[in-house]
Amino acid sequence: AQSVTQPDIHITVSEGASLELRCNYSYGATPYLFWYVQSPGQGLQLLLKYFSGDTLVQGIKGFEAEFKRSQSSFNLRKPSVHWSDAAEYFCAVGPNQAGTALIFGKGTTLSVSS
Amino acid sequence: GAVVSQHPSWVICKSGTSVKIECRSLDFQATTMFWYRQFPKQSLMLMATSNEGSKATYEQGVEKDKFLINHASLTLSTLTVTSAHPEDSSFYICSARDPVTVNTEAFFGQGTRLTVV
Repeated sequence: AQSVTQPDIHITVSEGASLELRCNYSYGATPYLFWYVQSPGQGLQLLLKYFSGDTLVQGIKGFEAEFKRSQSSFNLRKPSVHWSDAAEYFCAVGPNQAGTALIFGKGTTLSVSS
Repeated sequence: GAVVSQHPSWVICKSGTSVKIECRSLDFQATTMFWYRQFPKQSLMLMATSNEGSKATYEQGVEKDKFLINHASLTLSTLTVTSAHPEDSSFYICSARDPVTVNTEAFFGQGTRLTVV
């Protein structure tokens, strides 16, 4: 079955500390992977995406993610977290077809302490 | 980048009435759009796939007669919650992917907070 697992429901990090959000996927075909961020009461904003090529992808707001096929993982990282990064983060997987919906993980809530 | 616009952002309605939510792709033509429902502190649950010019495809457990979807043009899909009840209160989000752009992500509307009183 196709699925996305985000093992961490809630993470708290200190401002300025590094961050890693975990994402594992199960997908039968070539996976196209995404990380989205959602602020309260808002829609989703794309942080980064992976389709092919370099397995380390850079995104907006200083985020990066690394695709590891052997581990079926696509973990999101940021070297130094800012208070404004507090939000809900969703990992998603899907085919490279506009007519097919993405499959989302349950999300990880990030809190940033001062 | 491509933008998906959703309206209204929030709506309060009385039990038994119907509410229509619009989702527009502003700078691309979307033959397919997706409607999600999100409960507090939870992930997005796909409700249905909206297909331009044809019937929507509903996910298992989603009532077709309660959640009416119309995709009458290549840039507009609507979700109508009919005979709304308090349990229909939720956050509804639409999404679309540009079928022309290679390696495109899904773009999301800003969501609609529905409260049924």
